[in-house]
Amino acid sequence: QVQLVQSESEVKKPGASVKVSCKPSGYSFTKYGISWVRQAPGQGLQWMGWISTFNGLTKSAEIFQGRVSMSTDTSTSTVYMELRSLTSDDTAVYYCARADIAVAPFDYWGQGTLVTVSS
Amino acid sequence: EIVLTQSPGTLSLSPGETATLSCRASQSLPSTPLVWYQQKPGQAPRLLIYGSSSRATGIPHRFSGSGSGTDFTLTISRLEPEDFAVYFCQQYGSSPTTFGQGTRLEI
Repeated sequence: QVQLVQSESEVKKPGASVKVSCKPSGYSFTKYGISWVRQAPGQGLQWMGWISTFNGLTKSAEIFQGRVSMSTDTSTSTVYMELRSLTSDDTAVYYCARADIAVAPFDYWGQGTLVTVSS
Repeated sequence: EIVLTQSPGTLSLSPGETATLSCRASQSLPSTPLVWYQQKPGQAPRLLIYGSSSRATGIPHRFSGSGSGTDFTLTISRLEPEDFAVYFCQQYGSSPTTFGQGTRLEI
């Protein structure tokens, strides 16, 4: 069955960077891209960006441009999202989700990774 | 970007009743590129409805979606105890994809 397994929770200081991993299984890795969506405590969902696992093409939300990077490692079938210059406003659960293109619904989600930014 | 406004913010109902949740887009969406998710505490969202009205795999028939243009509705008939959760809509007709702020369905 399809699963997306994410890395464990992280605690970071303001100004630092965080890198979250997402490892899909149960389907051909390069057949679907991966989007990243975050959810601040008690808040709604915010799309951050999408990466093609086929050719590495990325598309990110304007609000995160310059601060977010997404990458893939086809040798381990893993996708990464790095967010830089963290502030307390970046405290959230970060989800990866399967999506064939950048503007698409998400049929499978990872379990989420809590990133806490605190001094 | 397209803003999705969900109403009501909170809906209080009892098991067995019917829930009607609304999602309104700030601009008309081409075709029916709207989905609904259910999210329970501590869990990732689960896809319920895609293409405005198609149920995702394994979703019970009591969940139904409708709408086009700017107005979309999720209807949950004969509410079961496990249906009490938060529901989000998402549009994928225009870049960037955006979400509504959610409707909390409570007992």
